Amino acid sequence: GIQVEQSPPDLILQEGANSTLRCNFSDSVNNLQWFHQNPWGQLINLFYIPSGTKQNGRLSATTVATERYSLLYISSSQTTDSGVYFCAVAGQGDSWGKFQFGAGTQVVVTP
Amino acid sequence: DGGITQSPKYLFRKEGQNVTLSCEQNLNHDAMYWYRQDPGQGLRLIYYSQIVNDFQKGDIAEGYSVSREKKESFPLTVTSAQKNPTAFYLCASSPGGEQYFGPGTRLTVT
Repeated sequence: GIQVEQSPPDLILQEGANSTLRCNFSDSVNNLQWFHQNPWGQLINLFYIPSGTKQNGRLSATTVATERYSLLYISSSQTTDSGVYFCAVAGQGDSWGKFQFGAGTQVVVTP
Repeated sequence: DGGITQSPKYLFRKEGQNVTLSCEQNLNHDAMYWYRQDPGQGLRLIYYSQIVNDFQKGDIAEGYSVSREKKESFPLTVTSAQKNPTAFYLCASSPGGEQYFGPGTRLTVT
């Protein structure tokens, strides 16, 4: 199956700082999503982005499918951005619908 | 309200007992999924179903069973054959493409 690697594994930011999270995947994908898991375990959809660039407020994401990576940008971070960020992908053909998650990036934003 | 519901939020069982976790969605999504999350780790796919009366094994299906008799329901049974059942279980649904998650069930087996 597709391998998904996220980096860095941990990130500590001061409020107001910018950061970039990376997701590398080992094969062509049809689906790619970024999620934020809050302290209660709920997975919140951030972006559905199998290719291209999207922005939503202080967050933006870019997927370069031909080079097999995606980036999540957090600008002007706030303490509410703390949590774990996951990348999930699903490949083409037989893997359609079979999502693989990365191990996540734990983000801590300090006041 | 439209969404995905999982019940109960917390579940406690004795070792050797089977337990069924509920997942219901009223989003009219075709596909549904079950994942397991262990502390400090990512999500691992247990089973998924793309249409009613059909489902496929994910990466860690051993010790689990599912059914998909109705479009809106995808219950997961954790059997006594599952060696380490204590975990956080998450259900998701999808119209084809983007997944949406329920709030999860924390299962503790002692």
